[in-house]
Amino acid sequence: GNSVTQMEGPVTLSEEAFLTINCTYTATGYPSLFWYVQYPGEGLQLLLKATKADDKGSNKGFEATYRKETTSFHLEKGSVQVSDSAVYFCALSGGSQGNLIFGKGTKLSVKP
Amino acid sequence: NAGVMQNPRHLVRRRGQEARLRCSPMKGHSHVYWYRQLPEEGLKFMVYLQKENIIDESGMPKERFSAEFPKEGPSILRIQQVVRGDSAAYFCASSRFHGAEVGNTIYFGEGSWLTVV
Repeated sequence: GNSVTQMEGPVTLSEEAFLTINCTYTATGYPSLFWYVQYPGEGLQLLLKATKADDKGSNKGFEATYRKETTSFHLEKGSVQVSDSAVYFCALSGGSQGNLIFGKGTKLSVKP
Repeated sequence: NAGVMQNPRHLVRRRGQEARLRCSPMKGHSHVYWYRQLPEEGLKFMVYLQKENIIDESGMPKERFSAEFPKEGPSILRIQQVVRGDSAAYFCASSRFHGAEVGNTIYFGEGSWLTVV
């Protein structure tokens, strides 16, 4: 069945460091891919998305490219800030009715 | 432009009581989804509803859990005879289009945290 695998956390970085959070997926067909972010005590916010192969989603300095050949959708940011500390979830629209399938989440902590 | 509204944000119930969680989708959205997030885990799909219809309930526990999305009013997730294992964050989400439509985006509420004591 469809699934999403994210790198295990937690990830701890210093401010201004480069961030990569790996995400790979298994799916039939051509799902859309998403990154959601969850700040402490809050709900999920859509960070970025890509709907077809080679699409690049970007928002707030984050970006991810839909790679069909490697079935990946890695999240990157060139220079993280303390305010980026949160849990990041990779997801695909791969349920039988298009509902989202989530990875387990990666907790990011950015130190000043 | 209000987002997905959930209430209550926090709910404490004793074992055996009932919990009712409410969700009002974004304006113009007729598709509602419920997800559960257990401590230290990702989100698990529970149920997908469209007005007055359950589209997919493959993630719902077979007993004690039910969901509805009436013609008027919010969607309700109901948990009867709660147990400690039901303690979790329950997230509602909504979308304008059917979940499987290319380019469809699902927006989440801030969640309802249920604690069973």
